[in-house]
Formats: sequence, structure tokens, C-alpha cells
Amino acid sequence: DSGVTQTPKHLITATGQRVTLRCSPRSGDLSVYWYQQSLDQGLQFLIQYYNGEERAKGNILERFSAQQFPDLHSELNLSSLELGDSALYFCASSVAPAGEDTQYFGPGTRLTVL
Amino acid sequence: KNQVEQSPQSLIILEGKNCTLQCNYTVSPFSNLRWYKQDTGRGPVSLTIMTFSENTKSNGRYTATLDADTKQSSLHITASQLSDSASYICVVSARGGATNKLIFGTGTLLAVQP
Repeated sequence: DSGVTQTPKHLITATGQRVTLRCSPRSGDLSVYWYQQSLDQGLQFLIQYYNGEERAKGNILERFSAQQFPDLHSELNLSSLELGDSALYFCASSVAPAGEDTQYFGPGTRLTVL
Repeated sequence: KNQVEQSPQSLIILEGKNCTLQCNYTVSPFSNLRWYKQDTGRGPVSLTIMTFSENTKSNGRYTATLDADTKQSSLHITASQLSDSASYICVVSARGGATNKLIFGTGTLLAVQP
């Protein structure tokens, strides 16, 4: 158990809908990272927050947005969903702001768009 | 262009045997190199993290090596167990900007058979 929690574990929705994925980092970690992993694909970095502020952006679509709240939990919002958005979405956390330390991954949320 | 290439793509070995996974990278400026183990449908788990000055690091039956001159790393698994069946991902961190950029390999899928 990494100490990072993600909810829900599974999500099934229809095209055009909007969903929110939630992540609680390990106690003491200030950085939260979001990743997407499609079937048979590697992990794709989406976005990082550090202590409530956006720190780095990766291959995140404009339809996707995220935020980190004062209690350090983070939410990833996916809107106008398309079939191709079906994937595993992982959250990871770490202590440091610049990605130089070990990231601890949550169990993931499996999103299925029908 | 920053790239991480892993070989082989997949590997089947018998329980109790040793194996070595390879990672070649073209990432600059280099910060560190990590190996993760990812069980199917679960979040990656960190095995080792090595900086430029480290050329060997062990974690139980897992030993990672790093040759910063040739930009190669290997992960050696000793006396394999059925539970070692997983995808092994090499991740190289590049320094720069507000946050180091993580470049992910596509992984080596290892199957350990009884």
C-alpha cells in the first residue's frame, strides 16, 4: 500500500459526459501528479501540482483540468468525454516540488467511456 | 529528442532463473533514472532510483546498474519468483524548468512460469 488513495476505482460513463477523479496524497507529500495509461500504452504525464499551485503541464487535453485543494487532495476533471479517453488514470505523490524524488502511485481509476 | 527505449518488449523465464532487462536513453540534462514494477491493472511501485554518480543499486533480488557514459541501464532479477511477473518500466528524469521532466519507457513485460 503506497499510502496514496484514489476514488472511484472504476467509472463507466457515456461519451459527452463529465467525470471527476479524486486523489489523496501520502501524508506529508506536497506534490501530486496525474498520469494517463491507455491500453498497451506507456504512462503519459498529464499535470503536476505542488502545495496547491500548478507546477508542470504535460500532454493534458484542454477538455481536462485539475486542481489541488488546501488539504492537498487533488481532483482531475474530464469533460466532453470521448471513447479514446478510456484508460487507467493514476495519481502519484511525492515530497519535493521538482520531481527529483520517488513518486508513490495510487491504485488508479479505470475509466470506461461507452 | 528525449527518449527511453527498453528491451526486450517481453520475456518469459522459468521460476528460479535470473534475467536482465535493458534500458537505453537519450535524455539531457540527466537528473536520475528510476525502475518501476507495475503489476497488471495496478499502480507502478518504485524499485530503485539512481543519480549520475551511482552505478549500482540493489533492492532485494533486484539490482539496477547505470552507465552514464553510454546512457544505458539494466535491471537484473535474481532467482525469479512467480510474483515477479509484471511490467518493468524505466523512467529517466531530465532537469529543467520548474519541474524535472520524466520520460517513460514503454516497459518490458516479464512472465515467470513455474
